[in-house]
Amino acid sequence: GNSVTQMEGPVTLSEEAFLTINCTYTATGYPSLFWYVQYPGEGLQLLLKATKADDKGSNKGFEATYRKETTSFHLEKGSVQVSDSAVYFCALSDQANAGKSTFGDGTTLTVKP
Amino acid sequence: NAGVTQTPKFQVLKTGQSMTLQCAQDMNHEYMSWYRQDPGMGLRLIHYSVGAGITDQGEVPNGYNVSRSTTEDFPLRLLSAAPSQTSVYFCASSYLRGREQYFGPGTRLTVT
Repeated sequence: GNSVTQMEGPVTLSEEAFLTINCTYTATGYPSLFWYVQYPGEGLQLLLKATKADDKGSNKGFEATYRKETTSFHLEKGSVQVSDSAVYFCALSDQANAGKSTFGDGTTLTVKP
Repeated sequence: NAGVTQTPKFQVLKTGQSMTLQCAQDMNHEYMSWYRQDPGMGLRLIHYSVGAGITDQGEVPNGYNVSRSTTEDFPLRLLSAAPSQTSVYFCASSYLRGREQYFGPGTRLTVT
C-alpha cells in the first residue's frame, strides 16, 4: 500500500536558519503530493502542493519539488521565523487508490528567537 | 464561507456511551472524510465519502459509522465508546477526490 515517511522530529532552529524536512513516499500510481501545516489547537491547512513530477510547490517562502526518481518531496525554507513553529505533515493522494490520502507522522518545528 | 465546521470542540464520554460528531461544509465539496489523530501516528482515515449517499471505509473503521444524506453534512457516529477511541477527530473536504483537503478545527474526545 501507499506510505509516507517523514524526518523524525522534533526540530529546533534559531530564527533565520535554513529549514529542511525530508519526506519520501511509496505509491502504486502517480500521486499528488502535499505539505500541510498544523498550528497548536487547530486543524491542518494546506501549505503547498505538487501534482506531477518535477513540479515545484511554493508558498510563504516554503518550497518543495516533486522528485519521482527519488520518490521525495522535501520541504525547505531559507530563513525561518518564530511564527513558523508548528507541526508539518507530508501527504499524498492517489487516484489509483480512490483518491484517498496518506499522511506522514508529522514533524514538530520549534523556532527560537 | 465558514469552510468546514465541527461540533463539539471537546467531549468526554464514559465507556459504552454513544455519540455523534458533527461535520458540515459550505463549499459544495463532493469528497469528505474523517480522520483521527493520535500522538506520533499522523492522521489515519476512518471513513470517507465521494458524494451524497456514497460512503466507504478507510484504514480504521471499526467502532464508527457514517452516513451522507446531503452534500453538506457528514456525521461520524461512535456506537459504543471505548478508551481506545480517545483521540482528536478531524473532518475534511475537497472539491474532488485526490485534491487538496480543507480541514475542520477538530473534536477532542476523551473516553473514560
